[in-house]
Amino acid sequence: QQQVKQSPQSLIVQKGGISIINCAYENTAFDYFPWYQQFPGKGPALLIAIRPDVSEKKEGRFTISFNKSAKQFSLHIMDSQPGDSATYFCAARGAGTGANNLFFGTGTRLTVIP
Amino acid sequence: DGGITQSPKYLFRKEGQNVTLSCEQNLNHDAMYWYRQDPGQGLRLIYYSQIVNDFQKGDIAEGYSVSREKKESFPLTVTSAQKNPTAFYLCASSPGTGQFGDTQYFGPGTRLTVL
Repeated sequence: QQQVKQSPQSLIVQKGGISIINCAYENTAFDYFPWYQQFPGKGPALLIAIRPDVSEKKEGRFTISFNKSAKQFSLHIMDSQPGDSATYFCAARGAGTGANNLFFGTGTRLTVIP
Repeated sequence: DGGITQSPKYLFRKEGQNVTLSCEQNLNHDAMYWYRQDPGQGLRLIYYSQIVNDFQKGDIAEGYSVSREKKESFPLTVTSAQKNPTAFYLCASSPGTGQFGDTQYFGPGTRLTVL
């Protein structure tokens, strides 16, 4: 059972446009929500993260919006650039046994067209 | 330079052979993890270790084994019992404090191909 559901599977955006990737979760015990960026043949790298008592976090062109009541969070990439073309994973950190374990979405392949 | 190293980058194995993937970190992190990544899929947890000399099975541990004899090392053995071992394997570590910002940092990965 997928604990974190991510959409869309792939996304094509024009340079300068806004890329939006959505994630939803069920477990209200999750306490930390990171986003990772992965380039082909490389390991994922932490991009930005948010905790559930905050509704929005912005770092440069990247913003996480968090809706605790809807159990949804999203990544917005403003002014998307060809260098942003990568696969993006959302994740949620568990609680209890294996409290540091991350549950990952299935990933979104973003392509930014020049 | 702090970080996580995985070796080798590419690994080829014949069917029926065991193979060990190396993961080393110099971040002084307590927790370490192994994931498997297949095309078009997310990361699936194989094993994790919260502390030296202790480890737990993840979602897909069958056909894999690990050890954690040192804090900085967490090798993964892919045994002949793993039915479909061809994949990209990622090692990660985290401080293990459970506080905000305690997230996982990944190595560059090892691509295993069974011939």
